[in-house]
Amino acid sequence: KNQVEQSPQSLIILEGKNCTLQCNYTVSPFSNLRWYKQDTGRGPVSLTIMTFSENTKSNGRYTATLDADTKQSSLHITASQLSDSASYICVVSAAHTNAGKSTFGDGTTLTVKP
Amino acid sequence: DTGVSQDPRHKITKRGQNVTFRCDPISEHNRLYWYRQTLGQGPEFLTYFQNEAQLEKSRLLSDRFSAERPKGSFSTLEIQRTEQGDSAMYLCASSLGGGAVGYGYTFGSGTRLTVV
Repeated sequence: KNQVEQSPQSLIILEGKNCTLQCNYTVSPFSNLRWYKQDTGRGPVSLTIMTFSENTKSNGRYTATLDADTKQSSLHITASQLSDSASYICVVSAAHTNAGKSTFGDGTTLTVKP
Repeated sequence: DTGVSQDPRHKITKRGQNVTFRCDPISEHNRLYWYRQTLGQGPEFLTYFQNEAQLEKSRLLSDRFSAERPKGSFSTLEIQRTEQGDSAMYLCASSLGGGAVGYGYTFGSGTRLTVV
């Protein structure tokens, strides 16, 4: 069964600090992995998309890494801001599927405090 | 076109009533997806359209749920005889299909359903 596990479940950090969120998956065969940011009461917004051949991708202060061998990804947030407080969801898609569905993690809830 | 639009943003209904939600995808996107999300969980797949064809339905989608995309543009999700367990955020997403399925979803802001 395809699964995506995220850790930690929640995280509290001080403004200006860095943090790293983890995503482990068992989706196979792998197609792509995406990180989304979801503010409370809003829909998820894409941060990064990575395919098998990509090891790292940045989007401003967000840097995602992918190790397809160990099936792990991380999202590193640099110099956190109060607006980074949100849920961060890891989504993995399998290759050769006819459905539009992907496997979603349950997210990491990040709280940035002043 | 400013993205995926969902209406209404919030809906409170009494148990047993029917509700209908609407999703307007990005105009050039041929694929449209419905997801359900409860607090502290990731979105769960409900159903998926390519143009006007409904290609897949999750087993989560009971007989009380029906979705349509009659002209391959906007979509509606109807829940009949609502139950308290239906309370959730209903998310719509769209994408331009092609090679990697599910690549590059754009989500709407969701419809928050509360069944009292």
